[in-house]
Amino acid sequence: DVKVTQSSRYLVKRTGEKVFLECVQDMDHENMFWYRQDPGLGLRLIYFSYDVKMKEKGDIPEGYSVSREKKERFSLILESASTNQTSMYLCASKGVYEQYFGPGTRLTVT
Amino acid sequence: AQTVTQSQPEMSVQEAETVTLSCTYDTSESNYYLFWYKQPPSRQMILVIRQEAYKQQNATENRFSVNFQKAAKSFSLKISDSQLGDTAMYFCAFSELQGAQKLVFGQGTRLTINP
Repeated sequence: DVKVTQSSRYLVKRTGEKVFLECVQDMDHENMFWYRQDPGLGLRLIYFSYDVKMKEKGDIPEGYSVSREKKERFSLILESASTNQTSMYLCASKGVYEQYFGPGTRLTVT
Repeated sequence: AQTVTQSQPEMSVQEAETVTLSCTYDTSESNYYLFWYKQPPSRQMILVIRQEAYKQQNATENRFSVNFQKAAKSFSLKISDSQLGDTAMYFCAFSELQGAQKLVFGQGTRLTINP
């Protein structure tokens, strides 16, 4: 079975802090994604990566950056957390036909 | 840009009933994939069913089936003989055939199956 893990299920950070969310997949997938999930808005793509050190902006990249130094690991970075970044963050990796999702990190910025 | 719309924020049915979730989308592409994903409470999102736009036959997976109307850009999910374990958020999603195949999601429908 494909396994996608995320470093934390719940995270509370203060405004202005630098926040790292990590995602690891064990299936040697090339494409990995970071989404943000908000009620009434569904999931929106923040960034994606199609290879090591390769990344592309999604629909809502402002305030975020990403890092992919190894194929299995894709990190989302909030350079200076703000209250409007309080949300559920979902990581996914793509197999042949479908994306496999991690359990999500619920981030609260106070 | 592609858009996906789910017009039913919440639905509720009794166990064993049949329920249909609606989804419409907009794209200028002729070939693409459509998906229904399920997110149970506090659990990971999983794929329910996938449809290739170039296939006329509607996809089915056990109790789950879709009604794919390409001309109308409609992609509904039918759940037959609903079970308590079907309680979840359901997301309709679109992806292009080529490239990274990133997903464009609808707003989601919260489905509750009542005993």
